[in-house]
Parts: sequence; C-alpha cells; structure tokens
Amino acid sequence: AQKITQTQPGMFVQEKEAVTLDCTYDTSDQSYGLFWYKQPSSGEMIFLIYQGSYDEQNATEGRYSLNFQKARKSANLVISASQLGDSAMYFCALVGGYQKVTFGTGTKLQVIP
Amino acid sequence: GAVVSQHPSRVICKSGTSVKIECRSLDFQATTMFWYRQFPKQSLMLMATSNEGSKATYEQGVEKDKFLINHASLTLSTLTVTSAHPEDSSFYICSASAGSFISGNTIYFGEGSWLTVV
Repeated sequence: AQKITQTQPGMFVQEKEAVTLDCTYDTSDQSYGLFWYKQPSSGEMIFLIYQGSYDEQNATEGRYSLNFQKARKSANLVISASQLGDSAMYFCALVGGYQKVTFGTGTKLQVIP
Repeated sequence: GAVVSQHPSRVICKSGTSVKIECRSLDFQATTMFWYRQFPKQSLMLMATSNEGSKATYEQGVEKDKFLINHASLTLSTLTVTSAHPEDSSFYICSASAGSFISGNTIYFGEGSWLTVV
C-alpha cells in the first residue's frame, strides 16, 4: 500500500522568501517516484518537479528543489524567492507499481506581498 | 503545449441524464490512463485505471455501473457518469502515462472537467 502525508494544510510566506512544504511517504515498492504538482484555483494540475527513488541527487527545477531524504521517507518541496503567482494548492504524489499515483491531501500556500 | 487533453472542461447536466468526459493523449500512445475525482478543497482520489482493450480496474467504493470507463484506443479513454445525481457534481481529471516513471516525468494530466448536476 502507498501513503502520502502532507501535514501542513495551509502555509503563508512573504514574497521573495523561501518556503518548504513537507511531504512524507510510505511504500513497499523498491522503485518509486515522487512528484510535486501545483493546482491553481482553475483546477489544472501543473507539474513542478520529479524525484526517482534511485536518484542520488536532489531534483531541482528553476526555483523548485526537492529535499529527498530516502531513509526518512520524506520529499519536501522548497520554493525559493516566492512570487505572488505561487499562491495555490500544492500536492505531493507518489507513483509506484502499475503507474498508480497516490496524492497527499495538499498544502494551500499563500504568498503575502 | 498540452499532451493530454480533456473535454469538456465544464458541463452542466440534468439529474438522471448521462454525461461523457473524454481524455486524449495527444503526442503519445497511452496503454493506461487514470481517472480521478476531486471534491472541493480535497485531494485527488483515484477512481479507476483504464486499460486499453480491456476492462477498467475500479478502486474500492467506486460504482462501476455508474462510472463507465471505455478505453477503446491507445489515445482515448472516456468516463461516462450514468444517471447523474447532484452528489456526482465534482471535478474529474484524467492522467496518462507515456512510459516508465523511472525515467522521469512521464505522467501527464488533462485540464480537468467540472461537472455540475442540477
């Protein structure tokens, strides 16, 4: 069974500051992947970053970086230099066997001017 | 550009009628597609796995007779909500896989469909 836990239902961050969104997971699969998606109020899922379980280096995509700690089963998202447009729901997701994706409950991020 | 297209983006239907939502992979062939449902301010819940050429696999608690899934080709999966009721009003979103996730971001989402049953 797969499980994703996001313990922060809501977060505030000052514009231009960095913010970390927490994500822990549990899976019995040896190979798996971790995703972060952004969902604005319009509903579409926007891919942000991906980390494979065998990737030794933390993934980075522009202002997004994933702090992957495999032993702790955590995959936190770090957003640097927050922008007003970053205000949205953020979902951590785990994909294992059969390409099935399990989503966390999400964190609502609000960037304050 | 979008690699998975979902249509319609918004639909309103009368209670008791059926409504079909399409999910198309535009740049790749998808043997497997997934359908999710999202209630307001909640996470995405997997409803079913759509397999090309075979029956869909439904998650526990999802009524297969109510949510009909057809994956007739490698680029198209459809979700039909039959005899819709107001409680079926929700955001439905599909995803398709372009290959093994081990190689990176190969899971693409459609734009989603807002269903309102009146």
